[in-house]
Amino acid sequence: SQTIHQWPATLVQPVGSPLSLECTVEGTSNPNLYWYRQAAGRGLQLLFYSVGIGQISSEVPQNLSASRPQDRQFILSSKKLLLSDSGFYLCAWSTRGPGWETQYFGPGTRLLVL
Amino acid sequence: KNEVEQSPQNLTAQEGEFITINCSYSVGISALHWLQQHPGGGIVSLFMLSSGKKKHGRLIATINIQEKHSSLHITASHPRDSAVYICAVNRRTSQGNLIFGKGTKLSVKP
Repeated sequence: SQTIHQWPATLVQPVGSPLSLECTVEGTSNPNLYWYRQAAGRGLQLLFYSVGIGQISSEVPQNLSASRPQDRQFILSSKKLLLSDSGFYLCAWSTRGPGWETQYFGPGTRLLVL
Repeated sequence: KNEVEQSPQNLTAQEGEFITINCSYSVGISALHWLQQHPGGGIVSLFMLSSGKKKHGRLIATINIQEKHSSLHITASHPRDSAVYICAVNRRTSQGNLIFGKGTKLSVKP
């Protein structure tokens, strides 16, 4: 069966520090991968998605970047965190192909920037 | 039993029909979300609400905290409304982590 992991579960970082959140998927190959953010008091927002190694699409211009160094690894990074980067970050995966593709979410990382 | 239940699981409607999707939850929440997922696309947040009712265009979301129930309504449905609609809640505890329903697959026929 497929599983998706995210770490860390919780992170407190000072403003201006770097960030690296990791997401890995097991039990599937060639997944589509997604990073979402839920900022305080707001809904989910798609940040990045990837259809393959090294292929990243950005949905919202901001202080963050994403990379996919391996097929089942998706990393969310920042060189210098802002207060507004605080939020709940969710990674998700889906199978590829036409039609309906259910997305499966990881447990999330709660980031607090102070 | 899932903590967030949606009904129906699948829904087919004719263009112009009024559509209702229901969501019930069994945990204490701080907020409830309605999300939309188009085929092959990411998830779009439609509403986040913690009480009452919100309206955006042809979409209306309501929540009854006492009954732990929310509904998403679509008026004058259109084929472009065809998507999977997902209900998700923020737990009041456990750092507010999101719990997702399994989604309702809506197909609107012209």
